[in-house]
Amino acid sequence: TQLLEQSPQFLSIQEGENLTVYCNSSSVFSSLQWYRQEPGEGPVLLVTVVTGGEVKKLKRLTFQFGDARKDSSLHITAAQPGDTGLYLCAGAAETSGSRLTFGEGTQLTVNP
Amino acid sequence: DAGVIQSPRHEVTEMGQEVTLRCKPISGHDYLFWYRQTMMRGLELLIYFNNNVPIDDSGMPEDRFSAKMPNASFSTLKIQPSEPRDSAVYFCASSRLRTGALYEQYFGPGTRLTVT
Repeated sequence: TQLLEQSPQFLSIQEGENLTVYCNSSSVFSSLQWYRQEPGEGPVLLVTVVTGGEVKKLKRLTFQFGDARKDSSLHITAAQPGDTGLYLCAGAAETSGSRLTFGEGTQLTVNP
Repeated sequence: DAGVIQSPRHEVTEMGQEVTLRCKPISGHDYLFWYRQTMMRGLELLIYFNNNVPIDDSGMPEDRFSAKMPNASFSTLKIQPSEPRDSAVYFCASSRLRTGALYEQYFGPGTRLTVT
């Protein structure tokens, strides 16, 4: 069973601060996705990374896939209240077909 | 394009009653997933289909749960009889085969189920 551990579990910061969320595993993943979920809604896909060492930027969000494809990080620069939500990482193992393994999530609160 | 559609959005029922949740995947997607989300256990995969065929139902908690996909545009998740511990938000998601991005899933808004 592939497990994804996210840290921190909860994060409360002030508007304008920077933050990093981590997603770690002992397993290798063929691809990894990051989702954001707001209250009362389903998770929304933010990005997919597929190559070890890959870095993708989405405005103030920077996503990195580890060289060994076992871990990933999400960095937010100058956080805004609109960034508040549950951030989930999800990995697809090479042997698991189309099944995704989800992390427990990081609940981010950005205070104005 | 319309996203994944789920109904109902909210369901309140009494213990022992049958509950049916419905999902319409994104047109052209050939994978459909049913998840359950709770505070204690996070997001759990219950079952998924490929081309309307169930591929992995190892996440279905017990025989009270069943899922069907009679055609490419419709799926149901049924709980009979329902119990209070089934209270959760149930999500449906769909995806399609894409080179380099096979496993991107698109989620519906969820059905919040409360069993009293």
